[in-house]
Amino acid sequence: SSELTQDSPMSVALGQTVRITCQGDSLSRYSASWHQQKSGRAPILVIYGENNRPSGIPDRFSGSISGNTASLTITGAQAEDEADYYCNSRDSSGNHVVFGGGTKLTVL
Amino acid sequence: QVQLQESGPGLVEPSETLSLTCSVSGDSMRSYYWSWVRQPPGKGLEWIGYIYNIGSTHYNPSLKSRVTMSIDTSRNQFSLKLSSVTAADTAVYYCARDLHTSAFDGWFDPWGQGTLVTVSS
Repeated sequence: SSELTQDSPMSVALGQTVRITCQGDSLSRYSASWHQQKSGRAPILVIYGENNRPSGIPDRFSGSISGNTASLTITGAQAEDEADYYCNSRDSSGNHVVFGGGTKLTVL
Repeated sequence: QVQLQESGPGLVEPSETLSLTCSVSGDSMRSYYWSWVRQPPGKGLEWIGYIYNIGSTHYNPSLKSRVTMSIDTSRNQFSLKLSSVTAADTAVYYCARDLHTSAFDGWFDPWGQGTLVTVSS
């Protein structure tokens, strides 16, 4: 299968920790990345290669992998973290990219 | 710092061809994979395809019959053509670059700001 399945909409209290998951067969072979998209804005990369952060991304964002499930964890969520989060990876052929359906995160 | 900017018509008639260009500034285009990604209003992201600096391409199988990508490194631009469009092709279209040189991972950074293309008569 080349699909990636993400969690339904989630909420987290300000300052608390939230984990968003992404499941798919291709994740056992190819690393996931995570993109954050705020309303009306282009996505930005927050995690790549399972647990690497591009320059400028706060260290409260982290990634992990277990089998065919990738996770994005936000430790100490801030109001500015409210956004849609998309996972993606290469598909089973290795030649294409697939995105998960996205998870809307609300910070309360 | 590399920046990407999409340009093209915001309105395309049904059955016509959608044409967009992504202009790249701040870095060479060589040795990177360049992708197009779209997002219908209120929906998720869909990868359209990539082009590599020597012109090799791979397209989303669901769009492959209608997509053509090209690249002009001398002008620091790459382009997307999507033929026989319908209302279902209405979306914000983004161009994006893979993070590392000579690597296709789908780790897109940076992205362009996106451009809305509406298919309507």
